[in-house]
Amino acid sequence: AQKITQTQPGMFVQEKEAVTLDCTYDTSDPSYGLFWYKQPSSGEMIFLIYQGSYDQQNATEGRYSLNFQKARKSANLVISASQLGDSAMYFCAMGQGAQKLVFGQGTRLTINP
Amino acid sequence: EAQVTQNPRYLITVTGKKLTVTCSQNMNHEYMSWYRQDPGLGLRQIYYSMNVEVTDKGDVPEGYKVSRKEKRNFPLILESPSPNQTSLYFCASSLYPAGLYEQYFGPGTRLTVT
Repeated sequence: AQKITQTQPGMFVQEKEAVTLDCTYDTSDPSYGLFWYKQPSSGEMIFLIYQGSYDQQNATEGRYSLNFQKARKSANLVISASQLGDSAMYFCAMGQGAQKLVFGQGTRLTINP
Repeated sequence: EAQVTQNPRYLITVTGKKLTVTCSQNMNHEYMSWYRQDPGLGLRQIYYSMNVEVTDKGDVPEGYKVSRKEKRNFPLILESPSPNQTSLYFCASSLYPAGLYEQYFGPGTRLTVT
């Protein structure tokens, strides 16, 4: 069965520092997608970044990058130069097959000024 | 503006009183899903739909029903709500298979069942 694990319930980081949010996954299917979503206190889900299992290079989107280590089954999110507005809940998710998307428990990130 | 809308945004109801949460998308997406979010559990899929008249169970379907009579709409029905269905509900849609492409989420519906 698919499983996503986020081991950091909460993280505190100083503004302008880089931060890495951990995500490990478990699947036996060779084809899958990995996602990160941000949920600010207002509640909406915001798509950040996507990595396909066959992608050779790590995905990047502005200040967000995904450190994809396939052999270790990890897909950590790296946020460079953190900002106060990055304070939110972050969810890692894995998609497999046509319809299913499985989410981790989330990591609450707090950026301190 | 491309979006997924949900109504109502907030709902307080009593045990056993049937309710429907509507979901509509204007992006002509094939795939739609419902999730519930509970503290410490992340989001869990309730039901999903690959196209009109095609629906299937997700991980936590008990106590819920869905229908997909039109491409744009995917209502979530609670025939007899119970307190354990108190949660934050999200509808989502995607053009291509949800497992491999970005999903667009609605704003969420916070449901309280007393």
